[in-house]
Amino acid sequence: QSVLTQPPSASGTPGQRVTISCSGSSSNIGRNFVYWYQQFSGTAPKLLIDRNNQRPSGVPDRFSGSKSGTSASLAISGLRSEDEADYYCAAWDDSLSGPSVVFGGGTKLTVL
Amino acid sequence: QVQLQESGPGLVKPSETLSLTCAVSGYSISSGYYWGWIRQPPGKGLEWIGSIYRGGSTNYNPSLKSRVTISVDTSKNQFSLKLSSVTAADTAVYYCARQSYSSTWPHFDYWGQGTLVTVSS
Repeated sequence: QSVLTQPPSASGTPGQRVTISCSGSSSNIGRNFVYWYQQFSGTAPKLLIDRNNQRPSGVPDRFSGSKSGTSASLAISGLRSEDEADYYCAAWDDSLSGPSVVFGGGTKLTVL
Repeated sequence: QVQLQESGPGLVKPSETLSLTCAVSGYSISSGYYWGWIRQPPGKGLEWIGSIYRGGSTNYNPSLKSRVTISVDTSKNQFSLKLSSVTAADTAVYYCARQSYSSTWPHFDYWGQGTLVTVSS
């Protein structure tokens, strides 16, 4: 069971706008940056969103991130077939049980 | 450009120690950044194992801390992972990655291709 909660799946048709949520708590998302990763089957994850809403060089502006309170979201506009992948959120967790990088369980995005 | 390459045995027996090395090219570990290990069991999500800075300062996942050791060899520009007392639950693809200047930022911008380690007798 992941510290950050994501829906296991999401879907959309080409051209649509899709959002993926990531829910946490005051010890992680509530006080730290959120990052998003994209992972295609059989390959290493790729950094998609940096520090809540910053796009690394080369990431299309169709991808955007936001954060509010203890939740964050990844939005993909103008959905394309090549966006079909797994998406993970991540944050630092200042838990008293031991600080740690934590990931969400991942969301499998299907382009219908 | 920065490249990372994991190496090590693909099969480890239960109760033994898993050992992996990550060779870095295109960037000197001595120049800075944290360097991390992340794993992914087959069909499952990502799990951070731990990270190390050039000087040897480390952070570990509390759930694995008692079994994990991460070290760095700046002369060889590589860092290593040791995970002791492994069980089948440690079977996963193990990735090494460059993190950031802050250990509290899970900003992993360069990744190795990953290496599958299976724990089985």
